[in-house]
Amino acid sequence: AQSVTQLDSQVPVFEEAPVELRCNYSSSVSVYLFWYVQYPNQGLQLLLKYLSGSTLVKGINGFEAEFNKSQTSFHLRKPSVHISDTAEYFCAVSAGGTSYGKLTFGQGTILTVHP
Amino acid sequence: GAVVSQHPSRVICKSGTSVKIECRSLDFQATTMFWYRQFPKQSLMLMATSNEGSKATYEQGVEKDKFLINHASLTLSTLTVTSAHPEDSSFYICSALPSHGQGLEVEQFFGPGTRLTVL
Repeated sequence: AQSVTQLDSQVPVFEEAPVELRCNYSSSVSVYLFWYVQYPNQGLQLLLKYLSGSTLVKGINGFEAEFNKSQTSFHLRKPSVHISDTAEYFCAVSAGGTSYGKLTFGQGTILTVHP
Repeated sequence: GAVVSQHPSRVICKSGTSVKIECRSLDFQATTMFWYRQFPKQSLMLMATSNEGSKATYEQGVEKDKFLINHASLTLSTLTVTSAHPEDSSFYICSALPSHGQGLEVEQFFGPGTRLTVL
């Protein structure tokens, strides 16, 4: 079984400032890691994912995340946020094999970007 | 990008009635769809995996007789909440895994969700 903890339920930040949304996970097996964004009244949209290889993953909209196996973390970062980045962000994990695609989500982090 | 729709977006019903929620992949075929529920200020929880042409697989603790899933075609899965009660009030979200493509590179796409309120 897996579990995901997003350490901050809400993150307020000013426009053009950097932001980090934290995510830690636990699992007894190797997992794949994802970050999703949800805008109001829309479905979750994939920002980026870590499957294998380089631990630094770049995604859409200027976001990136770093997989740290020893710390079981997958924190999301953006060097300079925009008003349009205001949304809820979810970290998720999936085991492999026949369980791939069955996502375990964190509680979500609401990012609010202020002008 | 690929689009997944859900209908209805909101539904209010009386206790004891059944409610059907549809999940459609609009521009791709999906052999597998997933159903999640989300309580206020909580995470999405996987309820079941819906496979076209076969029985759904339910996660531990989810009542299969309560939450009926039918995946009758490659573009449609339905979730029926039978004899709904106030504790079933929640946000139900589906996702669809495209049939094309292979392995880990296949991305699943999410619907916008359905808000169910049982009075």
